[in-house]
Amino acid sequence: QITLKESGPTLVKPTQTLTLTCTFSGFSLSTSGVGVGWIRQPPGKALEWLALIYWNGDKRYSPSLKSSLTITKDTSKNQVVLTMTNVDPVDTATYYCAHRRRNGYNWAGWFDPWGQGTLVTVSS
Amino acid sequence: QSALAQPASVSGSPGQSITISCTGSSSDVDNYDYVSWYQQHPGKAPKVMIYDVSNRPSGVSNRFSGSKSGYTASLTISGLQAEDEADYYCSSYTSSSTYVFGTGTKVTVL
Repeated sequence: QITLKESGPTLVKPTQTLTLTCTFSGFSLSTSGVGVGWIRQPPGKALEWLALIYWNGDKRYSPSLKSSLTITKDTSKNQVVLTMTNVDPVDTATYYCAHRRRNGYNWAGWFDPWGQGTLVTVSS
Repeated sequence: QSALAQPASVSGSPGQSITISCTGSSSDVDNYDYVSWYQQHPGKAPKVMIYDVSNRPSGVSNRFSGSKSGYTASLTISGLQAEDEADYYCSSYTSSSTYVFGTGTKVTVL
């Protein structure tokens, strides 16, 4: 059974750096084809895809946030970390991490399952 | 990349069928069969209902089906039930090797 859980600060001040950790079980990020992504959702608003890291270290970022995001993995700890620099109140959201599945050897796929999410508020 | 366009709300009576559209572009929906659909109940994490346009994960009711034509993907819920009341989001792989989500649709069971 695959599970993921997000952790990090609940309150961050504007201009600070936000660091979120996704701790997972039930799969290894060293297995070919595996990926872990981050998605966020501002209160009452839509989902927004942020970033994805693959088993081979390849990383992908949302074009609109690329300059402020960094995604890394620690395979030995079963963790993926997302950092966001220079946060703003508009970054207030629930942040989810999710396991990226794919069908066979397709290069793309879908997100399943998701963590429970962690609400981060950016405010002074 | 712009969010995929979905209607803000769709409603139907129990037992009816409804369809939610998801309109993208040549950079995403039109060129890739990697469209997925997610159901989200209030306060809960999203759950995948359809992947790769029309495939249903095990455990998901066969009342849910997906399709695609050109720039537009669709999710159909047949035999609408009270438990289907939720927010629904589509997602697509893009030509930038990234993913994009839709604007979301609130489904109301009348």
